Amino acid sequence: QERLVESGGGLVKPGESLRLSCEASGFAFSDHYMNWIRQAPGRGLEWISFINDGGSSSFYADSVKGRFTVSRDNTKKSLYLQLSSLRREDTAVYYCARESEGNWFDLWGQGVPVTVSS
Amino acid sequence: QSALTQPASVSGTPGQSITISCSGTSSDVGDYNYVSWYQQYPGKAPKLMIYDVSNRPSGVSDRFSGSKSGNTASLTISGLQAEDEAVYFCSSYTSISTYVFGPGTKVTVL
Repeated sequence: QERLVESGGGLVKPGESLRLSCEASGFAFSDHYMNWIRQAPGRGLEWISFINDGGSSSFYADSVKGRFTVSRDNTKKSLYLQLSSLRREDTAVYYCARESEGNWFDLWGQGVPVTVSS
Repeated sequence: QSALTQPASVSGTPGQSITISCSGTSSDVGDYNYVSWYQQYPGKAPKLMIYDVSNRPSGVSDRFSGSKSGNTASLTISGLQAEDEAVYFCSSYTSISTYVFGPGTKVTVL
């Protein structure tokens, strides 16, 4: 069964850092582009980051550029998101999502909550 | 990149057809056939319902259909059922190699 499982979320103070992980199973992880998408409480979805299959190319939303870093380890079938200089507005559920052969997200994790509060 | 525009809510009675619009610009919806739609129940992860404007993934009911005209995409749900009550998000690839979502439309089955 194809699955994505996020971990690493929690409560942090403004300015602190956090590293999220997303472990894949049931499919060829190294063949797929991956993305991070977040959802603030009671709000819509916000795409925040993309990384290609080999990890050599990445893109970010303006809201997180320079503060968040996406990476992957294909040997561990894992995707990561390093969150730095966190702000209250970064409070959200963070999803990792597999990008299909085209430009859509066909497999999502269950999400991991991040709360930024003093 | 500005978010796409969707109505906050749409409602219908069982058996009725409803349509949710998703408006973008010539830099996203209007420039690419990479519009997708997602269904989300409270507390759950989104689920892909439509990709590439009008294609349904395996397992998604044929009551769901998508289309696009210019800078506006649409999701139509035919034969509305109680289980269709959820929030629906549209998404588009953009000219700067990013993705943008709409704010979501809550579908209520009366």
